[in-house]
Amino acid sequence: GQSLEQPSEVTAVEGAIVQINCTYQTSGFYGLSWYQQHDGGAPTFLSYNALDGLEETGRFSSFLSRSDSYGYLLLQELQMKDSASYFCAHPGGFKTIFGAGTRLFVKA
Amino acid sequence: DVKVTQSSRYLVKRTGEKVFLECVQDMDHENMFWYRQDPGLGLRLIYFSYDVKMKEKGDIPEGYSVSREKKERFSLILESASTNQTSMYLCASSSSRWSGNTIYFGEGSWLTVV
Repeated sequence: GQSLEQPSEVTAVEGAIVQINCTYQTSGFYGLSWYQQHDGGAPTFLSYNALDGLEETGRFSSFLSRSDSYGYLLLQELQMKDSASYFCAHPGGFKTIFGAGTRLFVKA
Repeated sequence: DVKVTQSSRYLVKRTGEKVFLECVQDMDHENMFWYRQDPGLGLRLIYFSYDVKMKEKGDIPEGYSVSREKKERFSLILESASTNQTSMYLCASSSSRWSGNTIYFGEGSWLTVV
């Protein structure tokens, strides 16, 4: 079967750097995506890694290692508004599978 | 911007009622999805559709059916609502033209079955 594992919660301080890890087990591999969801809102796309390495988009970066079946989302210069749930996802053709989500708490 | 619109934000239904959740997207996307989101379980795929009148079961299709008569509209149907179907339901769409398959979500429909 397919599964993506990520920690349920992470807490960090405003201004700090935080890393949210995701390990996956999939049949076939089409890359790793990340989504952000604020309370009461819709998940929104953050990034996608098809190949190994780091992709940077402003304060957010995402990393993938296909040999380790592992990826992470890195958030720098944390702000209070970054408090949200973050999901890794495997965009497997029509059927995108999501991890259970990591709840990030940013403290002042 | 892509817009996925779900017709109802909050619904309260009685056990045994037939429930329709409607979803419309405005980006001419081929693929449409219905997910269910529950605390600690993430997003679980109920059904998806890759073309008009085509549908495929996701991971938790039991108790649900779907309809896609037009490309822009995808409906989720609970034939006989039960209390264990109380949840948030997310509709989504994506294009087949990009391998990353970015999913665009609606704002969600909170369904309570009493």
